[in-house]
Amino acid sequence: DAGITQSPRHKVTETGTPVTLRCHQTENHRYMYWYRQDPGHGLRLIHYSYGVKDTDKGEVSDGYSVSRSKTEDFLLTLESATSSQTSVYFCAISEVGDSSTSGELFFGEGSRLTVL
Amino acid sequence: QQPVQSPQAVILREGEDAVINCSSSKALYSVHWYRQKHGEAPVFLMILLKGGEQKGHEKISASFNEKKQQSSLYLTASQLSYSGTYFCGTEMGNDYKLSFGAGTTVTVRA
Repeated sequence: DAGITQSPRHKVTETGTPVTLRCHQTENHRYMYWYRQDPGHGLRLIHYSYGVKDTDKGEVSDGYSVSRSKTEDFLLTLESATSSQTSVYFCAISEVGDSSTSGELFFGEGSRLTVL
Repeated sequence: QQPVQSPQAVILREGEDAVINCSSSKALYSVHWYRQKHGEAPVFLMILLKGGEQKGHEKISASFNEKKQQSSLYLTASQLSYSGTYFCGTEMGNDYKLSFGAGTTVTVRA
């Protein structure tokens, strides 16, 4: 199994509070992603990173920011959480550009966030 | 832009076949397929690349029609272990930015 750890795994917070989710990998993969999963919507890309300090927006980036200061860590921050951000958040990693890999995504176990 | 998957759900008996479709309104560079069991993370099944290359699962097959911007996943002689939600993920350029469909829930019964 790919070495991906998400923390916290569960969090309950109140509207208006800041929240940071952490994704840590031990695979030294270049690409890291944050998705949110909601019923009826599948997995929606929030932000992704293609290297240290290199990030880009996904489909649902409003209200979220990210940072990647080290290869192994990718942080997702909700500056002021809202109830619409209640979701399960998945981090994923990928190694591309190498003919020996298929470019598949390896997912973390998910972080369940509830905003009251 | 998220691809469209159909059907939303399918119920099978062991040994039956099913097809899950994934379509995009834009040209595709690659299509990925993943399966997620309840309460778990999605797991990679296969990737289909523009040009016909295919990598991944040995027992589940898929096709990719580049002209129609569609992919289909074929569950043949289904087993109980095939139950789960299947997601297609599409990449429009060679930018490693993957968008997923809403998923197809497959239930295989004995």
